[in-house]
Amino acid sequence: NAGVTQTPKFRVLKTGQSMTLLCAQDMNHEYMYWYRQDPGMGLRLIHYSVGEGTTAKGEVPDGYNVSRLKKQNFLLGLESAAPSQTSVYFCASRIRAGNNEQFFGPGTRLTVL
Amino acid sequence: DQQVKQNSPSLSVQEGRISILNCDYTNSMFDYFLWYKKYPAEGPTFLISISSIKDKNEDGRFTVFLNKSAKHLSLHIVPSQPGDSAVYFCAARNYQLIWGAGTKLIIKP
Repeated sequence: NAGVTQTPKFRVLKTGQSMTLLCAQDMNHEYMYWYRQDPGMGLRLIHYSVGEGTTAKGEVPDGYNVSRLKKQNFLLGLESAAPSQTSVYFCASRIRAGNNEQFFGPGTRLTVL
Repeated sequence: DQQVKQNSPSLSVQEGRISILNCDYTNSMFDYFLWYKKYPAEGPTFLISISSIKDKNEDGRFTVFLNKSAKHLSLHIVPSQPGDSAVYFCAARNYQLIWGAGTKLIIKP
């Protein structure tokens, strides 16, 4: 079991460029999440999904889009990157029921110049 | 408006002693609280949780205490070990998880 994996691990973009971050989980989890973590702040929820084909906005969704075409994958897209999107991005997943424990990937460090 | 606050950015504790990490919250609608541990260059990993109907939960060296009247929870680690050096996040649930900013725990040998 690989758990939750994220691709890529690091990326540098120029302002205005686009990119997609891929999250994959092999635990058959229903729920998946995208967070960003900035210095001195807790994790903030960008978007989430409660099942294949569904997505919903979190706390800080502006500038991002997501898709969940397959249950095991959750994609985060930046259409036109801005320096304010420089951050570490974490993907997480969890089972539908249970104690709310989320399993996290190792993170993607994104720098937008 | 930070609903979950960890007021100590860092904490240094001698190996073998007790580590106490604190977390305050403002929203009385939170019904579940979790602690996560994070090592550098890794994602957070779940440590321990507590429901709002309880005031204590214990798992080995880790105990979480919840004081609902004070809107305060704490994580006790006894005894502290070098491998406990990490950043600890508390998170509270109100439909989604709201996270504190984390406390960096340093265990001194």
